[in-house]
Amino acid sequence: GQQLNQSPQSMFIQEGEDVSMNCTSSSIFNTWLWYKQEPGEGPVLLIALYKAGELTSNGRLTAQFGITRKDSFLNISASIPSDVGIYFCAGQPGGNNRLAFGKGNQVVVIP
Amino acid sequence: DAGITQSPRYKITETGRQVTLMCHQTWSHSYMFWYRQDLGHGLRLIYYSAAADITDKGEVPDGYVVSRSKTENFPLTLESATRSQTSVYFCASRPGAGGPTSTDTQYFGPGTRLTVL
Repeated sequence: GQQLNQSPQSMFIQEGEDVSMNCTSSSIFNTWLWYKQEPGEGPVLLIALYKAGELTSNGRLTAQFGITRKDSFLNISASIPSDVGIYFCAGQPGGNNRLAFGKGNQVVVIP
Repeated sequence: DAGITQSPRYKITETGRQVTLMCHQTWSHSYMFWYRQDLGHGLRLIYYSAAADITDKGEVPDGYVVSRSKTENFPLTLESATRSQTSVYFCASRPGAGGPTSTDTQYFGPGTRLTVL
């Protein structure tokens, strides 16, 4: 199956700092999704993007759908301890029922 | 609003036994999916279903069987469990074709952690 490339794989950040992560693909997607997974839980949808160039915010989270439609980024501003978790990107090619997933970014916030 | 639930949350079984993992959603979503999550592999699609009585293979279907007699339920059966099927299993659902922004977003259940001894 198709894989998305997420970088970096893990990040240790100081509380209060901003953190950015991105997701790239070799093919074009019509939808980009960002999920957060906490230990012992399923992925929870954070932001959904449906249009190239779209910039969407959800509280301290901001995500953008890349103009080329082959990438997306997620930014967390002013990180807090509860931001700890694994952040997954997912993308859907047009005319396809399946999502492709990145392997996730592990975020650790140091108080 | 129960959303999407999975049971059991934890299961330990032995090699060769049959195991069924349950998934139930209350949204009347058309599509349902089963994934497994393993270190180093991320989320991999096992099977999915577009509607009741319609199922299709995903990326890693071998050793698994699904059925969908009702829209709200999508059980996953391991007919003869193997150690390589030790994993965390997630069920997900999404609406069918309809509104312009709702079709692609999948919503996940809390997962079932399965250990095969």
